[in-house]
Amino acid sequence: GENVEQHPSTLSVQEGDSAVIKCTYSDSASNYFPWYKQELGKRPQLIIDIRSNVGEKKDQRIAVTLNKTAKHFSLHITETQPEDSAVYFCAASTEGYQKVTFGTGTKLQVIP
Amino acid sequence: SAVISQKPSRDICQRGTSLTIQCQVDSQVTMMFWYRQQPGQSLTLIATANQGSEATYESGFVIDKFPISRPNLTFSTLTVSNMSPEDSSIYLCSVVRGFENTEAFFGQGTRLTVV
Repeated sequence: GENVEQHPSTLSVQEGDSAVIKCTYSDSASNYFPWYKQELGKRPQLIIDIRSNVGEKKDQRIAVTLNKTAKHFSLHITETQPEDSAVYFCAASTEGYQKVTFGTGTKLQVIP
Repeated sequence: SAVISQKPSRDICQRGTSLTIQCQVDSQVTMMFWYRQQPGQSLTLIATANQGSEATYESGFVIDKFPISRPNLTFSTLTVSNMSPEDSSIYLCSVVRGFENTEAFFGQGTRLTVV
């Protein structure tokens, strides 16, 4: 089955700096790579995703890049704000096959 | 999107007892997923609940410990049986929606403490 590794496990950045979280996956059949944000005591929510037919996707301050050859993808948050503090999970799945495999999570702390 | 109602939101239970968690979705879905999230950890899939058939369990999880019901296409229950303190965790139900059925939506979670 799919295995998703994520690092770092914790990340502290100063407000306004950028944050980068990296993930690798094992199953070459995976073609959908979402990122979820989980605030303390809340449920995970999708913030951005990328499909295997593109290499990069951007939505305001967040962007995701995908390297299918190397089987890794990354989340980039620019101009970080205190409200970006949360746990971020990467994930991988195959379109049409609903099972999702999550990474181990990154606790991001943005210091004001 | 999907609206998922999960209850209870939290409970404190005595060891050796069982707790049933309910999950109601706002529209019909083929599969419902049950996850466990231990403090500070990732989401671990317990099982996939299909309507009309037995649930499919992941490695390390068994039906006797985590029996699942799926009586219709909008509802599922997960029971945590014969609980021990090691079962203290957050349990979440989830469905997948959207283009190519890829986006996961979660219930609000059940925070279980076993004493």
